[in-house]
Amino acid sequence: GDSVTQMEGPVTLSEEAFLTINCTYTATGYPSLFWYVQYPGEGLQLLLKATKADDKGSNKGFEATYRKETTSFHLEKGSVQVSDSAVYFCALSLRSGNTPLVFGKGTRLSVIA
Amino acid sequence: DVKVTQSSRYLVKRTGEKVFLECVQDMDHENMFWYRQDPGLGLRLIYFSYDVKMKEKGDIPEGYSVSREKKERFSLILESASTNQTSMYLCASSLSIPDTQYFGPGTRLTVL
Repeated sequence: GDSVTQMEGPVTLSEEAFLTINCTYTATGYPSLFWYVQYPGEGLQLLLKATKADDKGSNKGFEATYRKETTSFHLEKGSVQVSDSAVYFCALSLRSGNTPLVFGKGTRLSVIA
Repeated sequence: DVKVTQSSRYLVKRTGEKVFLECVQDMDHENMFWYRQDPGLGLRLIYFSYDVKMKEKGDIPEGYSVSREKKERFSLILESASTNQTSMYLCASSLSIPDTQYFGPGTRLTVL
């Protein structure tokens, strides 16, 4: 079945460090891909998305490129801040039919000053 | 602006009680979802609804039921709460099933 695999956390970085959170997927069709972020005590919110191969989603300094050849959608940020501390979820959707989003298990990021 | 609200942020109930968790969205979305979130397990889909009075089971429907009498409101019901239902419950809505989902702030339920 369709699935998303994220790197296990927690990830701890110093402020201004480079961030990569790996995400790979398995899907029968051509999915749309998403990154959601959950700040402490809150629900999930959409961070960025990409709907086709080679698309790059970006928001708040975060980027992710839809790589069909490696079935990946890795999240990157050049210089993290303490305020980026959160749980990050990768997700996919098949864009048709009645199948809801499939989420990865989440990666907790802690950024220390 | 998109808004999904949940009736309580924190809830404490006793084993065996009937529990109602309410979710309201103001975006005229057709689809609504209930998840539970547990450490190490990520998000797990309990039920979703693609229209008023329609529902579909998710991955872990056992012990739960849902109700959708109006488009904007989706309720999760624990018929007889048990301690293993202590969790964070998240509601979401979307325009279409595979589309971007918008989440509420969550209800942290503790069953004693």
